[in-house]
Amino acid sequence: EAEVAQSPRYKITEKSQAVAFWCDPISGHATLYWYRQILGQGPELLVQFQDESVVDDSQLPKDRFSAERLKGVDSTLKIQPAELGDSAMYLCASSLLAGANTGELFFGEGSRLTVL
Amino acid sequence: QQQVKQSPQSLIVQKGGISIINCAYENTAFDYFPWYQQFPGKGPALLIAIRPDVSEKKEGRFTISFNKSAKQFSLHIMDSQPGDSATYFCAASMSGGFKTIFGAGTRLFVKA
Repeated sequence: EAEVAQSPRYKITEKSQAVAFWCDPISGHATLYWYRQILGQGPELLVQFQDESVVDDSQLPKDRFSAERLKGVDSTLKIQPAELGDSAMYLCASSLLAGANTGELFFGEGSRLTVL
Repeated sequence: QQQVKQSPQSLIVQKGGISIINCAYENTAFDYFPWYQQFPGKGPALLIAIRPDVSEKKEGRFTISFNKSAKQFSLHIMDSQPGDSATYFCAASMSGGFKTIFGAGTRLFVKA
């Protein structure tokens, strides 16, 4: 069964360090999402890509967060510098095509970040 | 206007009982309302979803009830089982997946 792959699963870093997360969506999925999930809360959308283009990054803290999907396939989310409040689960999801009347998001298992 | 409000935060149900989780939204542009199930250490997975042209959808023990005029929808889990113990998120999106917004989640525990 096709899955969304994420790495690393766990990352512990110190405040002010740089962190990067990688996501490989399900093959053929044009839409890729990065969500942040703080413990005990629902996922919050950070950025949404359609192929290689950003279609929504309104909630992405652009002073420290960046995301790219250069070839329209896999994606990287970077945080620099990391702050204590960034400790969370970073979830990547993909879908066939936003607007293709499916709407189902397929999530990876997430990357849990702890900032000390 | 973009929020999806979910209640209760937590729920304890006896095995065989009915679990009910409620959600409300404001933005009438939402046209797809999924429920996701999340187990500890895993990403959310789609459980069941509904579009606003129907008032109810049933898949096995899971039913979504949708009230368009009240802008509310709910998940009913019939004959709840210990294996249903998980966190449930309602969500809403526009145009088949654009900007999916999640509720805060309900932690369900089914007692054996």
